Amino acid sequence: QVQLKESGPGLVQPSQTLSLTCTVSGFSLTSNSVSWVRQPPGKGLEWMGAIWSGGSTDYNSALKSRLSISRDTSKSQVFLKMNSLQTEDTAIYFCTRLRIRYFDYWGQGVMVTVSS
Amino acid sequence: EIVLTQSPTTMAASPGEKVTITCRASSSVSYMYWYQQMSDASPKLWIYDTSKLASGVPDRFSGSGSGTSYSLTINTMEAEDAATYYCQQCCSTPLTFGSGTKLEIK
Repeated sequence: QVQLKESGPGLVQPSQTLSLTCTVSGFSLTSNSVSWVRQPPGKGLEWMGAIWSGGSTDYNSALKSRLSISRDTSKSQVFLKMNSLQTEDTAIYFCTRLRIRYFDYWGQGVMVTVSS
Repeated sequence: EIVLTQSPTTMAASPGEKVTITCRASSSVSYMYWYQQMSDASPKLWIYDTSKLASGVPDRFSGSGSGTSYSLTINTMEAEDAATYYCQQCCSTPLTFGSGTKLEIK
């Protein structure tokens, strides 16, 4: 069955870089797209960006200067890197399978706190 | 960026009551998508392509709309429907979500 699982550090210092990994199973990254979506505590959902099945990427313009999404298809992994983290980047980070227009499967999410 | 405005922000409904949540888009979109999020859980796809129920979604739920106005309706509220519901537009990047409607059971 389709599964996505996020992993990464729970705590990041301000101004540092966040690195997260999404490990997927039950589908191929060469024929499916993956997105990252985040949710600050008690708030709504924000689409961050996507890596399409062909390997191209799209980013939310609000984050584009700080964000990079890549993948390793042989390991079924998608990576998120975001630099210059601030306290407002504290959030649950979800990876999702993206069906062109919508998100049909979500990982459990990983809580990232930005604090010194 | 297409802004989605959901209403109401919060509401409480009694068992058996009909519930309607609306989502208005700042520009016309072709489809709307809805997600259900329980407390401390990941969102789940609930309605896709405006009116199609995702797998496992009870048929008391329905979706409708076009252009800039969409809605999610629960025909008869049940306790298990208490959750936060988000709409999402498909058709212009950045993909955007509404701010959510928290639905509680009375």
